Amino acid sequence: DTGVSQDPRHKITKRGQNVTFRCDPISEHNRLYWYRQTLGQGPEFLTYFQNEAQLEKSRLLSDRFSAERPKGSFSTLEIQRTEQGDSAMYLCASIFGTSGNNEQFFGPGTRLTVL
Amino acid sequence: AQKITQTQPGMFVQEKEAVTLDCTYDTSDPSYGLFWYKQPSSGEMIFLIYQGSYDQQNATEGRYSLNFQKARKSANLVISASQLGDSAMYFCAMSTTGGGNKLTFGTGTQLKVEL
Repeated sequence: DTGVSQDPRHKITKRGQNVTFRCDPISEHNRLYWYRQTLGQGPEFLTYFQNEAQLEKSRLLSDRFSAERPKGSFSTLEIQRTEQGDSAMYLCASIFGTSGNNEQFFGPGTRLTVL
Repeated sequence: AQKITQTQPGMFVQEKEAVTLDCTYDTSDPSYGLFWYKQPSSGEMIFLIYQGSYDQQNATEGRYSLNFQKARKSANLVISASQLGDSAMYFCAMSTTGGGNKLTFGTGTQLKVEL
């Protein structure tokens, strides 16, 4: 499979629990992005990595959120002490390159429901 | 800061007709890219078309074309010969070289193709 993959596709959790999502980008892509999409809205940027370095974090990324890309390959997004407002689709995307404006390839997303 | 505005929450079009989805943008970065993505009800983001800020000609990809008017800061998507399978949410997005190539999305337009 040559596309971006995300796991799990769906997650239902209770408020206060921790959850972790995984994203596997296209193998040669050095940049990886996380977005959050709530119902009826466009995706909003959360954070991105170039190789293993986290270069930017949005103000949307509260201290309950943490993301890693330890070896510059897959990435994880963890949400601690989930709240109902965290319910959303979490999208991962990847690109190759550091200059220019390239098409981002999106994964299928992880839909989180916090009860 | 970058901003994308999509003023059409919903659009209807007859099968085989052409439809234009509006998008205006705002950025102070001279180097930027404009994208259109399609999101069916299944949730995946499907890349449709890209226009670079320095491209002299409007981008075309099959039945999709992007009407790029730089002075007006608009990047409208034109879908020709609409098909029932075109029914989906359409997002306009922008990335800038100075912004780490992260995407800023509009609120989307829900397109419904009718017989």
